Amino acid sequence: DGGITQSPKYLFRKEGQNVTLSCEQNLNHDAMYWYRQDPGQGLRLIYYSQIVNDFQKGDIAEGYSVSREKKESFPLTVTSAQKNPTAFYLCASSMIQGSEQFFGPGTRLTVL
Amino acid sequence: AQSVTQLGSHVSVSEGALVLLRCNYSSSVPPYLFWYVQYPNQGLQLLLKYTSAATLVKGINGFEAEFKKSETSFHLTKPSAHMSDAAEYFCAARPGAQKLVFGQGTRLTINP
Repeated sequence: DGGITQSPKYLFRKEGQNVTLSCEQNLNHDAMYWYRQDPGQGLRLIYYSQIVNDFQKGDIAEGYSVSREKKESFPLTVTSAQKNPTAFYLCASSMIQGSEQFFGPGTRLTVL
Repeated sequence: AQSVTQLGSHVSVSEGALVLLRCNYSSSVPPYLFWYVQYPNQGLQLLLKYTSAATLVKGINGFEAEFKKSETSFHLTKPSAHMSDAAEYFCAARPGAQKLVFGQGTRLTINP
């Protein structure tokens, strides 16, 4: 089945630790995105990538980093510089930047 | 800049009643428009999309939306609500080749 997978489903982190969220797609999509979702705030774009080895900051990139070494993979690292990382993180992909996006199941990150 | 406004963060209807979720966009150029649905702790699923082919767009699960340029609106409707429709709904816009812009979301509750 084609789709987007995110792992893990739930992630717990101690303050001061970096954590990496995985996102893989087998849809052969060019563009990939990371969003953060907080209650009542909708989706906010963290980073996006249109092509391998290239990515751009979104609206709330501070405290996050990404890489795009392979077309199918777009991991997100939440660094210790992110002051309030507890949230639901969604990965998405699309054929070209801005066309309809397909979403993964999400990762819920909780900082203890 | 493009923005999307969803009127009402919470909407509650009785089972069998009409569902109406409101979405307005701000743009002098009609963008591509989308409605997504999100069930608890899951990713977003595309319900329907407007790409200028027809102003009345039919989607999955009996939902439809009408694009009204004069009102800059793209409201989502369903004639008869079902308990399984309870979820959060997001309107999104893509103005040309730019990124998707999401509304804040509307949580739909269905009363038995």
